Parts: sequence; structure tokens; C-alpha cells
Amino acid sequence: AQKITQTQPGMFVQEKEAVTLDCTYDTSDQSYGLFWYKQPSSGEMIFLIYQGSYDEQNATEGRYSLNFQKARKSANLVISASQLGDSAMYFCAMREALYNQGGKLIFGQGTELSVKP
Amino acid sequence: EPEVTQTPSHQVTQMGQEVILRCVPISNHLYFYWYRQILGQKVEFLVSFYNNEISEKSEIFDDQFSVERPDGSNFTLKIRSTKLEDSAMYFCASSETGRGDGYTFGSGTRLTVV
Repeated sequence: AQKITQTQPGMFVQEKEAVTLDCTYDTSDQSYGLFWYKQPSSGEMIFLIYQGSYDEQNATEGRYSLNFQKARKSANLVISASQLGDSAMYFCAMREALYNQGGKLIFGQGTELSVKP
Repeated sequence: EPEVTQTPSHQVTQMGQEVILRCVPISNHLYFYWYRQILGQKVEFLVSFYNNEISEKSEIFDDQFSVERPDGSNFTLKIRSTKLEDSAMYFCASSETGRGDGYTFGSGTRLTVV
């Protein structure tokens, strides 16, 4: 079974509009972390935002916010006021067993976001 | 802002050759990782390294792969005898605590096996 599911292979958004990128996850751990990364065409992985499973408030970082719905096991990324430079691939990832050694991330398939002028 | 540095950014190698990918993690980080991304696919975990030993490895990380922290700063991934299917982007990452905070990726090494 997929641990991280991103159901939108591609998304379009008009510049200055908000967009939501979906991510659902599957884990039996009580303690886990959820990440979003941006990968532009140049290839690097840019950290955007992190949400811990015990964090009561939804994470926010500038124009990025994470809509964390624990019961539904979803961790959607919301980008407000889209800019042309937001066009990229976006990956959702999960770190299980947060307090054990190791710390590997499990990634979803990604969503390619295109921002239209 | 501290960053994870990877060299080279692009490497082309002949099938069957050994290749070493290099990484300098963030200086106060204790956990180190290698991931790979085959073109157009998702990022896959290869190996994690803590306290000078492998803490976890994936099925991909077979006997052809090895990791080393030869000194206090470098973290290397060696592929002993490269195959065409090893062509991918290889990312190094480091983390201060192994939990969520400060999990940082390098900009990657694109390995092309011909």
C-alpha cells in the first residue's frame, strides 16, 4: 500500500490565486512528521514546511500553509497568492517513528504545478 | 543559511566503473542520508547513517553500494560497478536530530551511466 499518495499529477493555477496540493498518508505510528518539498526544473529539493503529528496548530511559512487533518490522514499544502516562480514539482513526504533512530523520509509521486500569467 | 553541499553536480561514467559521490553535511548535524530519484519518478530512500554506522538501508542499497564518513566533514556514497539503471539524481541530506526539524537536502548529483 502507498504510504504517501498525491493524487494530482498536474495542476494549473492563475497567478495571484491560491492553490491546494493534496497529500494523504498511511501510518500506524502515533508520532510522525510530514514535509513538503519544492523541486524546480533545476532539480534541487527545497524544504517548504513541516508538520509534526502532535502539533496542534497547522504549520505556516510565509505563503505556504499546511492543512493538517489528522483523522482524515491528510496534509494538504496551500500556496496563497501564487507567483510564476512557484511553477515546479511538489513532493509530500513522511517521517514515521519520529523518536527512533534513522529518520528516512517516504515520498509521494509529486504534483507538477504550473502557474499561468 | 547553512547548506548541504554535493559534488560533483553532474557525473558521467562508463558502465562497470566505480563512482564516488561526495557530500558535506551541515556541520552540527548528526544524521546523514542518501536518496535517489530516477528521472521523472519519486525520490527513494537509500541509506541513513548515524554515529559512524548505517542505521537503516533500503532494498535498493545492495552490495554495490557503500557509504563512508572518512573525516569529520565529508559523507560519501560509493557505487562499485555502475549499471545503466544507476543513472539518477542522487541527493544527500542531513538532519540535526533525525526528527523533523532541520532536515536539509543538498542540490544533488546527476549521475549518468553510459
